[in-house]
Amino acid sequence: GNSVTQMEGPVTLSEEAFLTINCTYTATGYPSLFWYVQYPGEGLQLLLKATKADDKGSNKGFEATYRKETTSFHLEKGSVQVSDSAVYFCALIKDSNYQLIWGAGTKLIIKP
Amino acid sequence: NAGVMQNPRHLVRRRGQEARLRCSPMKGHSHVYWYRQLPEEGLKFMVYLQKENIIDESGMPKERFSAEFPKEGPSILRIQQVVRGDSAAYFCASSTDLNYKGNQPQHFGDGTRLSIL
Repeated sequence: GNSVTQMEGPVTLSEEAFLTINCTYTATGYPSLFWYVQYPGEGLQLLLKATKADDKGSNKGFEATYRKETTSFHLEKGSVQVSDSAVYFCALIKDSNYQLIWGAGTKLIIKP
Repeated sequence: NAGVMQNPRHLVRRRGQEARLRCSPMKGHSHVYWYRQLPEEGLKFMVYLQKENIIDESGMPKERFSAEFPKEGPSILRIQQVVRGDSAAYFCASSTDLNYKGNQPQHFGDGTRLSIL
């Protein structure tokens, strides 16, 4: 079936460190891929997306590239800030569908 | 331009009571989705509605759960005779059109945290 697997958290980094959160997926066809962020006590915000292979989504210094050959959509940021502390969710939508299929989330903790 | 509004933010119920969760989509959005997030897990799709129609309820338990999106007013997720296992965060999302391949992204509310005593 269709699924999303994320690296387990929490991920703890110091401010200005380089961030990678791994995400791999299993899906038939050509899904669209997303990263959502959930700040403490809040809802989910769309961070970035990519709708076809080799697309790069980017927003607020975060980037992720849709790699069909490795079925991956890893999230990266060159220099994290304390304000980036949140839970990050990788998700996909299958072809011709609307259901978001979610990873379990990765909690990111940034220390000053 | 208000976002997706969910209320209440927190809801406490005793076993056997009913829980009603409300969701007002973003202005101009006619598609509503409900997701459930169990502790330490990702979200799971429950139901997709358009005005006055349930399009897909494949993710919703067959018993005790129901959803509606009337012509006027918010979408309602209703859980009857709640049990401890219903404790979760329930998120509503809305979009302007069929979210085909993510071209019309789903915008989320802040969720309702349901606790069952």
